[in-house]
Amino acid sequence: LAKTTQPISMDSYEGQEVNITCSHNNIATNDYITWYQQFPSQGPRFIIQGYKTKVTNEVASLFIPADRKSSTLSLPRVSLSDTAVYYCLVGDRDDKIIFGKGTRLHILP
Amino acid sequence: EAQVTQNPRYLITVTGKKLTVTCSQNMNHEYMSWYRQDPGLGLRQIYYSMNVEVTDKGDVPEGYKVSRKEKRNFPLILESPSPNQTSLYFCASSSHLPGQSNQPQHFGDGTRLSIL
Repeated sequence: LAKTTQPISMDSYEGQEVNITCSHNNIATNDYITWYQQFPSQGPRFIIQGYKTKVTNEVASLFIPADRKSSTLSLPRVSLSDTAVYYCLVGDRDDKIIFGKGTRLHILP
Repeated sequence: EAQVTQNPRYLITVTGKKLTVTCSQNMNHEYMSWYRQDPGLGLRQIYYSMNVEVTDKGDVPEGYKVSRKEKRNFPLILESPSPNQTSLYFCASSSHLPGQSNQPQHFGDGTRLSIL
């Protein structure tokens, strides 16, 4: 069963750039990599998705190396409101969805 | 407004008393899924459905049942709940299989179940 691995927690300061890396060694050829953000007592919320190289939207960037065995979510100039749990998600070869255990990001003033 | 609606949001019940958590989406999505979330374990998939009358087991299906008689609804059934099913549950939907398309999942607000 494919799985993802992320750091359990990270701390950073307001205004800094934060990079969270996810390992997904068994990613399938046609799988996308998706990142979600979750605040307490809420459902996960989509942040960004990519297949290869680099993707950027208004809130984040996603870097995916050529072998696609990992991906890095980059949050530019974080604020206190970015304190949340971030999940990396990839598909599995038998169509199940595997979430990582998430990275608890704590932004300090 | 596009949304995934779960009911109830909170439920306290006793071991063995059958319960159903409903999930409904208004986006005409093909794919629906149930997850449970426990401290330190992240989100784990219970069951998923690719379309009407098509369901399959996720990572932790034991003790749960689902049905998909209509595209919009995907109820989660606990026939004989036990305390180890105390958890936070999320329903999600997407237009295609998540991870194999560029269509992300939309999540409900969660249902907190306590089985005494």
